Amino acid sequence: DADVTQTPRNRITKTGKRIMLECSQTKGHDRMYWYRQDPGLGLRLIYYSFDVKDINKGEISDGYSVSRQAQAKFSLSLESAIPNQTALYFCATSDPGTKETQYFGPGTRLLVL
Amino acid sequence: AQSVAQPEDQVNVAEGNPLTVKCTYSVSGNPYLFWYVQYPNRGLQFLLKYITGDNLVKGSYGFEAEFNKSQTSFHLKKPSALVSDSALYFCAVRDIDDYKLSFGAGTTVTVRA
Repeated sequence: DADVTQTPRNRITKTGKRIMLECSQTKGHDRMYWYRQDPGLGLRLIYYSFDVKDINKGEISDGYSVSRQAQAKFSLSLESAIPNQTALYFCATSDPGTKETQYFGPGTRLLVL
Repeated sequence: AQSVAQPEDQVNVAEGNPLTVKCTYSVSGNPYLFWYVQYPNRGLQFLLKYITGDNLVKGSYGFEAEFNKSQTSFHLKKPSALVSDSALYFCAVRDIDDYKLSFGAGTTVTVRA
């Protein structure tokens, strides 16, 4: 969905490096999410935010942190990247008006060497 | 707790034949159910959802899904598959009292010409 953008689209980094993945949305939604996708595991929730002052851990938050800079921006950081964080990362947004249908960005493919 | 099972890792059909992708779910309360599709190197695209009402839900690209409460299933169907339907399909569920989606592991659909 072009209304949800993610940067970078691809990233290669080394073990121990700090990296940030960014997400921006123009849908005007209050709720934003970060997921990671691994083959055979589907999508797993890392963090979610219902507004700029409300941030919550998902099922796999260890090793990650987030920042909600504005309604439209939600960043995911890996403080010290490790190889098992190699995955495809997705940002999503939702709104109560659509029964929380989530709309996804194009994803960031991260490789940690 | 809520969960989704997609019992088939892969589904292969010939173009023009019916396509079915299976999904069963578990929630403590009433479910909201979703189907998403992921094309290669793309994000997840919303296909359809069941919130309430008619058990047969129609969505994008000619897809439909049937909610069956007694069997806790929400199978995705298309009467006549196209080669362009080849993609990875995800079923997702959330309890109406929760905001978080739980995703299945995904089913890879291959439609051969």
